[in-house]
Amino acid sequence: EAGVAQSPRYKIIEKRQSVAFWCNPISGHATLYWYQQILGQGPKLLIQFQNNGVVDDSQLPKDRFSAERLKGVDSTLKIQPAKLEDSAVYLCASSFLRFGETQYFGPGTRLLVL
Amino acid sequence: DQQVKQNSPSLSVQEGRISILNCDYTNSMFDYFLWYKKYPAEGPTFLISISSIKDKNEDGRFTVFLNKSAKHLSLHIVPSQPGDSAVYFCAASNSNSGYALNFGKGTSLLVTP
Repeated sequence: EAGVAQSPRYKIIEKRQSVAFWCNPISGHATLYWYQQILGQGPKLLIQFQNNGVVDDSQLPKDRFSAERLKGVDSTLKIQPAKLEDSAVYLCASSFLRFGETQYFGPGTRLLVL
Repeated sequence: DQQVKQNSPSLSVQEGRISILNCDYTNSMFDYFLWYKKYPAEGPTFLISISSIKDKNEDGRFTVFLNKSAKHLSLHIVPSQPGDSAVYFCAASNSNSGYALNFGKGTSLLVTP
């Protein structure tokens, strides 16, 4: 079974530029999560989708971050414009939305904002 | 506001001995707890979990203990192996809040031969 796919794996941009990350969840998983992991911290939820609807985006900085999940499968997370403090690993995870279901993580996209 | 805390940033254990990783949480609404293992440049990998209705769950060399009254859980690895060297994250979720995971900062485990 294929795991969660993410691209690109690494991205370096200058502040005020825009960047987009892509995630393809495990086949059949209706729930998709984007997490931000800053160096030395644990992952922090940015947004959660159930199919193509948003379940929780309370921690998403909506003035610069946006995310979509068209057709309830792939998802894209965008940052525009990027700030220095956005340097982090962006992790995508997917699962079934049932109690006790494991979230499976992709390898992440490491973003460096200069 | 850190709802899940791992107060030991690092731990070093000799091969063959027991590794004990600790985790505390503050939110009494959490009802599912997980441990993830992470190698550099990879995403977190699920290790073991426990529901709040249990106090122990065992899977091979890994055992998780939950003390709800103390809001504390621990991961025991017996015997520890050099391949267990990684960062271990404790995470908790609330079934009434979409199951999103709240993570601790992680504990870096080093198992020496």
